[in-house]
Amino acid sequence: SQQGEEDPQALSIQEGENATMNCSYKTSINNLQWYRQNSGRGLVHLILIRSNEREKHSGRLRVTLDTSKKSSSLLITASRAADTASYFCATDYSGSARQLTFGSGTQLTVLP
Amino acid sequence: DTEVTQTPKHLVMGMTNKKSLKCEQHMGHRAMYWYKQKAKKPPELMFVYSYEKLSINESVPSRFSPECPNSSLLNLHLHALQPEDSALYLCASSPDRLAKNIQYFGAGTRLSVL
Repeated sequence: SQQGEEDPQALSIQEGENATMNCSYKTSINNLQWYRQNSGRGLVHLILIRSNEREKHSGRLRVTLDTSKKSSSLLITASRAADTASYFCATDYSGSARQLTFGSGTQLTVLP
Repeated sequence: DTEVTQTPKHLVMGMTNKKSLKCEQHMGHRAMYWYKQKAKKPPELMFVYSYEKLSINESVPSRFSPECPNSSLLNLHLHALQPEDSALYLCASSPDRLAKNIQYFGAGTRLSVL
């Protein structure tokens, strides 16, 4: 299976704290994306990092990519209750740019 | 307009019924996707249409039949489903640019097969 793994599977933090989620994948990629999914809803794209980039920021989000370790992390700073959701990394493999493979996901709960 | 619209939001059907899920986007995207998602699992790709032609079929059973009538519409025809087919069915679209493939998702159809 090409599916990546994410850890932790579940994370519970207090509002204002930072949340870090990790993603590992198996083969060479074109880019890696992070998506958020509120309960029972569709996925929303958060950020994309190309395979030749090491770090990217967008608002309170910081993504890192280590292609030598085939891993990525998503940091959400100063979390809010509205950040409660499932977070998935998604990779598209070299030669198959139309096909995204999603990681197993991290369920984040931010307590007010 | 960055919206992908899916109808219906909820669907309950018996194993002998025939029903269809619909998806529409007006962003000019040329790739459209169907995913199946079980509870607490990631989305699993079912079909990909690119420029209105089926380009990827992930070994999905024939009781699921996709159709792309035009570049804005995507249907998923359902027939003789099994209870294990109960899931959230997500539609997505993307510009189909190889350099970036950001996908825009609809809110999904929650399907229950009795």
